[in-house]
Amino acid sequence: GAVVSQHPSRVICKSGTSVKIECRSLDFQATTMFWYRQFPKQSLMLMATSNEGSKATYEQGVEKDKFLINHASLTLSTLTVTSAHPEDSSFYICSARYNLASGKETQYFGPGTRLLVL
Amino acid sequence: DQQVKQNSPSLSVQEGRISILNCDYTNSMFDYFLWYKKYPAEGPTFLISISSIKDKNEDGRFTVFLNKSAKHLSLHIVPSQPGDSAVYFCAATFTGNQFYFGTGTSLTVIP
Repeated sequence: GAVVSQHPSRVICKSGTSVKIECRSLDFQATTMFWYRQFPKQSLMLMATSNEGSKATYEQGVEKDKFLINHASLTLSTLTVTSAHPEDSSFYICSARYNLASGKETQYFGPGTRLLVL
Repeated sequence: DQQVKQNSPSLSVQEGRISILNCDYTNSMFDYFLWYKKYPAEGPTFLISISSIKDKNEDGRFTVFLNKSAKHLSLHIVPSQPGDSAVYFCAATFTGNQFYFGTGTSLTVIP
């Protein structure tokens, strides 16, 4: 099946530094990728929709200058958490839109990145 | 605004018995529903889906039922196995738009 990878799987950084997370679709082209954040005991929260070759669409309440998204190719989207603070510590998951043989679509998820900001 | 709700945060079932996970939604525009399974520290994996033109879809031990009038869907796992222990998310979408996820139900299958 389709595979989406994320790198790194875990990152610990100091407050004030920037962290880049990569999301790659390994065996298919993804014109649309999504970035989610999961808080403990809460649902996956969609942060932004990343479209190849254009600016990302951010959900309400998500700071676009803090969470920089770049979708430079059909297989790679990056999320950069700029000037990270402890409250940014979370589990970040990306997904890529994939068209099933039935004509419907689904999303394939990456394994997630655990960010801990000290 | 939580358009997709999973009201049971956790569920425990004996091995071999049926697991029933429930999901409710509010938006009648949703036309496609999916279930995902998530292990700790991993991303969700796609499990099974159903289109709004159907009321049942079966794949091995997994069956999803859709009741459009009640805006309710459920995932049945029969027989339940210890390896099924995970968090299950339901999701809904209408074509070309974002996916809306429930808060998840943590299933524990007791050997």
